[in-house]
Amino acid sequence: AQKITQTQPGMFVQEKEAVTLDCTYDTSDQSYGLFWYKQPSSGEMIFLIYQGSYDEQNATEGRYSLNFQKARKSANLVISASQLGDSAMYFCAMREEWQNFVFGPGTRLSVLP
Amino acid sequence: DAEITQSPRHKITETGRQVTLACHQTWNHNNMFWYRQDLGHGLRLIHYSYGVQDTNKGEVSDGYSVSRSNTEDLPLTLESAASSQTSVYFCASSEYSGRTDNEQFFGPGTRLTVL
Repeated sequence: AQKITQTQPGMFVQEKEAVTLDCTYDTSDQSYGLFWYKQPSSGEMIFLIYQGSYDEQNATEGRYSLNFQKARKSANLVISASQLGDSAMYFCAMREEWQNFVFGPGTRLSVLP
Repeated sequence: DAEITQSPRHKITETGRQVTLACHQTWNHNNMFWYRQDLGHGLRLIHYSYGVQDTNKGEVSDGYSVSRSNTEDLPLTLESAASSQTSVYFCASSEYSGRTDNEQFFGPGTRLTVL
């Protein structure tokens, strides 16, 4: 069964607008972590943000925030004030305790000028 | 600064040839991983290692092997390259698995084409 689902293969957003990239996950563990990575066209994988399953507050890192809804098992990435440089593939990933990372299929975000 | 390097960055080979992709990390991490990235599949785990002399199969390990003789290196070998192994390969490392907040650090990737 797919542990990480990203239902949006591609998304478009206007520059300076906010955008939400969806991620749902499947786990029966109580302790796990959720990650978002960015992959620009140059190919490298860049860590953006982390949310722990026990964290009560949604994680934020600059223009990135994670909308964590534990009961719904969703961990959506919100990018505020989109910039042209945000155009990239975005991967959601989960790590259960003592387990390896599992990645979703990714969402390609295109920011329009 | 600590880093992960991969070589070569690009490789073209022929069906049936043996190919080895190198991965070297200076993070001093025990855990190292090899992934392949294909459109629509995200990153799929090929092999991983939790320490020297430890290797384990991931979800797409057929046709690949790894060895871990030291902390820094985890080379990936394609025993007999097939066109289905044309992909982008990423090496990654992380601290031990007991904490869920240990992020993975990635190398720059190797683009392999099998003709």
